[in-house]
Amino acid sequence: KNEVEQSPQNLTAQEGEFITINCSYSVGISALHWLQQHPGGGIVSLFMLSSGKKKHGRLIATINIQEKHSSLHITASHPRDSAVYICAVRITGNQFYFGTGTSLTVIP
Amino acid sequence: DADVTQTPRNRITKTGKRIMLECSQTKGHDRMYWYRQDPGLGLRLIYYSFDVKDINKGEISDGYSVSRQAQAKFSLSLESAIPNQTALYFCATSDPSANSYNEQFFGPGTRLTVL
Repeated sequence: KNEVEQSPQNLTAQEGEFITINCSYSVGISALHWLQQHPGGGIVSLFMLSSGKKKHGRLIATINIQEKHSSLHITASHPRDSAVYICAVRITGNQFYFGTGTSLTVIP
Repeated sequence: DADVTQTPRNRITKTGKRIMLECSQTKGHDRMYWYRQDPGLGLRLIYYSFDVKDINKGEISDGYSVSRQAQAKFSLSLESAIPNQTALYFCATSDPSANSYNEQFFGPGTRLTVL
């Protein structure tokens, strides 16, 4: 049983397309974390949010607490956006639970 | 320079050997974590530490031990490695006083193969 479900598992897009990655969770949370894992394995923090919406460059993250759902959007996608995107939720004060990731490939 | 470093980056070892993975950070964070990542599974917490005197088991601590030698250093040991410990291991740090989210910052990972 996984508290965090991501969809789709794999996604291929053409350069320039608008991309949406979804994250659903089954329990109450105090925060949600979007991470990017590069092909070489390194993990970078993109957003942390507990309500509403955040934007950074071409990336937008939204969360709906009532529906237990978050989305990560990428506008004007580029091949350098190709990576695995991971959603993680903080349920207790100290631990995060991670989704299995969405593997994104953006084709030129 | 990277804020969170891990050594080694890659290691191949044999069943039964003792292995230590090291993590160092220059972020000044009190909290440190060890995770493992397996194909098709999300990151899973092995151990975490809130300060030098505090060590806590995570979801999958069996077969592992840790040592917090200083605020900046957190080591993970496999006392007797077995093949199903083959995985990608990540160290992470956080500072809940910096923001209410307790955002975590990850090292580059150590790829461990146990033959």
